[in-house]
Amino acid sequence: EDQVTQSPEALRLQEGESSSLNCSYTVSGLRGLFWYRQDPGKGPEFLFTLYSAGEEKEKERLKATLTKKESFLHITAPKPEDSATYLCAVRGSNYKLTFGKGTLLTVNP
Amino acid sequence: DSGVTQTPKHLITATGQRVTLRCSPRSGDLSVYWYQQSLDQGLQFLIQYYNGEERAKGNILERFSAQQFPDLHSELNLSSLELGDSALYFCASSAGTSGETDTQYFGPGTRLTVL
Repeated sequence: EDQVTQSPEALRLQEGESSSLNCSYTVSGLRGLFWYRQDPGKGPEFLFTLYSAGEEKEKERLKATLTKKESFLHITAPKPEDSATYLCAVRGSNYKLTFGKGTLLTVNP
Repeated sequence: DSGVTQTPKHLITATGQRVTLRCSPRSGDLSVYWYQQSLDQGLQFLIQYYNGEERAKGNILERFSAQQFPDLHSELNLSSLELGDSALYFCASSAGTSGETDTQYFGPGTRLTVL
């Protein structure tokens, strides 16, 4: 069974204070690792897909990286509008998405 | 805006009742997925339809059922509702190519409250 563990559960940063979120996974035949952002009461918003170890993708202040066992979402000089829950998901050989429970990020001004 | 629409936004009902949640996928997408999100469980995959046919099943209870219609919209039916069914229900859609590049885009969700 595919499994995803995200840490920390919650992270509080000051504006401009860079940090990283972790997503550890076990999956049978990785068919993609996905990062989503979710605001309270809203649907998850797609951020990135990574397919193979060593791959990196960037979007504004966010950068996602992938190894064979984990993915990191690096946040550089965050702003209060980056506050959200960040969800990691893996798609295995059965093509189903398995989500972690998320990291709640709060960025204080 | 992902292009996926869901109705209603909120639903309040009583135990034992039956409700129907509706989803319209993004234009051109053939696959529809249903997820349940509760505080303690996170996002749980329920079921997937592709072009009208059931393609994959997750942790969907027997009291729950879904279908996808010829116009590709989908409905999730929840019956004999229990307090524990209170949750956010999300629909997602994708092109449904089954390829590695197939990305799911989520709707705004329906918040179900069972009293």
